Amino acid sequence: AQKVTQAQTEISVVEKEDVTLDCVYETRDTTYYLFWYKQPPSGELVFLIRRNSFDEQNEISGRYSWNFQKSTSSFNFTITASQVVDSAVYFCALPSGNTGKLIFGQGTTLQVKP
Amino acid sequence: DADVTQTPRNRITKTGKRIMLECSQTKGHDRMYWYRQDPGLGLRLIYYSFDVKDINKGEISDGYSVSRQAQAKFSLSLESAIPNQTALYFCATSDTLAGVTDTQYFGPGTRLTVL
Repeated sequence: AQKVTQAQTEISVVEKEDVTLDCVYETRDTTYYLFWYKQPPSGELVFLIRRNSFDEQNEISGRYSWNFQKSTSSFNFTITASQVVDSAVYFCALPSGNTGKLIFGQGTTLQVKP
Repeated sequence: DADVTQTPRNRITKTGKRIMLECSQTKGHDRMYWYRQDPGLGLRLIYYSFDVKDINKGEISDGYSVSRQAQAKFSLSLESAIPNQTALYFCATSDTLAGVTDTQYFGPGTRLTVL
């Protein structure tokens, strides 16, 4: 069965620090996508990034970057030069093969202090 | 304008009342989902629909029903609301790519309180 684990429950950093959020997943699918979502205090779920399983090239998008390693089933997400507005709960997610239901990790609460 | 909209955004109701939550999307996606989020329990799937004629129960469908009125509209009903249905409800849409579920885009959520 699919499973997503985010071992970090809460992280607190000072503005401008870099922060990495960890995600480990389990799946039997050979082709799949992985996602990161952000949930700010206002409550909406905002899509951040998507990674497919057959491309391990790591990418950078603005202040966001991600490190996908299929061999260790990890999909870590880094925010460079964090800002107070980055304070939110961050979820790593993996779709279930049949239903497409998103399996979310437990979430990591990031607090960025000024 | 937002691609996925939900109405109402907030609702307080009483036990036993019938409630409908509505979702509309302009992304042209076939797949639509209803989730609820509860503190400590994460997001759980209520119903999902792969197209207008294909509607399926999720992991917690008891007490809920849905209607897919069109590709763009997917409504969730609570036939007789009870307090443990108090939660944050999300609608989501997605496309598929080579048969694999692609990115799910979420609406802003409906905060429902059942007294």
